[in-house]
Amino acid sequence: GAVVSQHPSWVICKSGTSVKIECRSLDFQATTMFWYRQFPKQSLMLMATSNEGSKATYEQGVEKDKFLINHASLTLSTLTVTSAHPEDSSFYICSAESGGFYNEQFFGPGTRLTVL
Amino acid sequence: GENVEQHPSTLSVQEGDSAVIKCTYSDSASNYFPWYKQELGKRPQLIIDIRSNVGEKKDQRIAVTLNKTAKHFSLHITETQPEDSAVYFCAARSNFGNEKLTFGTGTRLTIIP
Repeated sequence: GAVVSQHPSWVICKSGTSVKIECRSLDFQATTMFWYRQFPKQSLMLMATSNEGSKATYEQGVEKDKFLINHASLTLSTLTVTSAHPEDSSFYICSAESGGFYNEQFFGPGTRLTVL
Repeated sequence: GENVEQHPSTLSVQEGDSAVIKCTYSDSASNYFPWYKQELGKRPQLIIDIRSNVGEKKDQRIAVTLNKTAKHFSLHITETQPEDSAVYFCAARSNFGNEKLTFGTGTRLTIIP
């Protein structure tokens, strides 16, 4: 199956700093990528849909100025958590669509963010 | 928008027995229904999916059934093994490109040796 990587796998930062998370499709081009947040023992909550070359579409309640998304190429999308606070601590997972008829969605390994 | 409900939230099954997880969806336009397995701290892994043009799909010990009229679909795991212990998520999506997946709330499956 298609491979999606994510970097870093975990990060610890101080409150008020910004953190950038990268999501890459390694063996396919992804016009669309998705960013999710998952709190412990909860389901995946979609934050935004990232489209190559255009602005991301954010879900209701997600602050676009706080969670900056850039989909600069067909293999890379980045999520920047700006001015992070402890309540932003979570597991962030990206996914990429394979396109074509089946258009499956493949997930990255996730990034564990801890804000002190 | 789409709403997906999943039951049960937790399920304990004796090793070797079968496990069934059920989901319902609200949007009749949804036509793609994947199931994901997520182990603690890891990414969701697609284990099986079904599209609305079929009613059942099977892959070894795993099967999924779909009832479009009732808007529900189920995951069946037979001959369960300890490594089947994980959280399972169902999801639904309209397959018209760039459509987002809507996830169920998850089922924590525990296989008792």
